[in-house]
Amino acid sequence: DSGVTQTPKHLITATGQRVTLRCSPRSGDLSVYWYQQSLDQGLQFLIQYYNGEERAKGNILERFSAQQFPDLHSELNLSSLELGDSALYFCASSVGSRPALQETQYFGPGTRLLVL
Amino acid sequence: ILNVEQSPQSLHVQEGDSTNFTCSFPSSNFYALHWYRWETAKSPEALFVMTLNGDEKKKGRISATLNTKEGYSYLYIKGSQPEDSATYLCATNQAGTALIFGKGTTLSVSS
Repeated sequence: DSGVTQTPKHLITATGQRVTLRCSPRSGDLSVYWYQQSLDQGLQFLIQYYNGEERAKGNILERFSAQQFPDLHSELNLSSLELGDSALYFCASSVGSRPALQETQYFGPGTRLLVL
Repeated sequence: ILNVEQSPQSLHVQEGDSTNFTCSFPSSNFYALHWYRWETAKSPEALFVMTLNGDEKKKGRISATLNTKEGYSYLYIKGSQPEDSATYLCATNQAGTALIFGKGTTLSVSS
């Protein structure tokens, strides 16, 4: 158990809908990262937050947005869902005391999204 | 676009065999190299973070080396056990960007 929690574990929804995925980082971690794992792709970095502020952005679609709240939990909002958005979405956290890219990231169990 | 290549894509060994696999990445503007172990139905688990050319890290029967000048890292598993069966991911970056993951090497160890 990494100490990172994600809810829900599974989500089934229809095209055009909007969903929110939630992540609670390890106690004390200030950085949160979101990744997408599709069937034929490696882990794709979406976005990073550090202590409530956006720190880095990857291949995140405009239909997707995220935020990190004062209690450091984070939410990833996916809207106007398409079939191709079906994937496993991971959240990871790190301490945030070193340059982010040199820090170990601790992954949550993921949310499996299925868009029908 | 940064490209992280892992080889082989999959590997099947017998219990007790030692094995190794490769992660290749562009050597320019290197910042860090991460190795993760990902078991089916679980989340990726960090193994090593390596930053310096010539770094060697070890965790039990698993070790890794790093060559930033030629752009590769090796992961070694000594005396493979069935519980080592997993996908091993490497990830790296160029300075200022996020981690880019390879597609992984899937190891299967038979008893």
